[in-house]
Amino acid sequence: NAGVTQTPKFQVLKTGQSMTLQCAQDMNHEYMSWYRQDPGMGLRLIHYSVGAGITDQGEVPNGYNVSRSTTEDFPLRLLSAAPSQTSVYFCASSYSRDATYGYTFGSGTRLTVV
Amino acid sequence: KNQVEQSPQSLIILEGKNCTLQCNYTVSPFSNLRWYKQDTGRGPVSLTIMTFSENTKSNGRYTATLDADTKQSSLHITASQLSDSASYICVVSAEGNNRLAFGKGNQVVVIP
Repeated sequence: NAGVTQTPKFQVLKTGQSMTLQCAQDMNHEYMSWYRQDPGMGLRLIHYSVGAGITDQGEVPNGYNVSRSTTEDFPLRLLSAAPSQTSVYFCASSYSRDATYGYTFGSGTRLTVV
Repeated sequence: KNQVEQSPQSLIILEGKNCTLQCNYTVSPFSNLRWYKQDTGRGPVSLTIMTFSENTKSNGRYTATLDADTKQSSLHITASQLSDSASYICVVSAEGNNRLAFGKGNQVVVIP
């Protein structure tokens, strides 16, 4: 089925470890983004990309890196995990940056940093 | 201050009953407003989208309304089912801006 695929679904890290959250879409969407969702808070934008080779920061980018070498993939890297990065992470994609066509979200990655 | 405020934060309703969720926003200039449904452990899924000129949009038992003058939207669930138990998120898009403003969600629990 077409959509946004995130891996892994669950991950436990120790403080200071690094890891990459994978995101892939097969809908030829130009726009991709990463959000984190914490209890009692709305989804917050971490980084986004409007096309291959182009990335930009969202509202909470510190501690995260992204790259967009292909249209399909948009990995999120945690350089040195901290307990404050414990959260559920969602990748989303869309045809356009103005979200007229809506966003397709992945099923999420639940990350715990101990 | 959050640009999108939703109420009530949570509610419990009996199966078969109706309920209405509220969303107030301050995003300007307004482009569109979407309601998403997020089941536990899943990503949000779009239910409806409304632009400035639309004031009602239905998707099955879900009906969204929009009053662009007062910057308010509502989502009405008719004849609720157990599968309606979820978080409903109001998302507002500003014109000319790729950023979205997310509400914190309305947590709905439908009980038999």
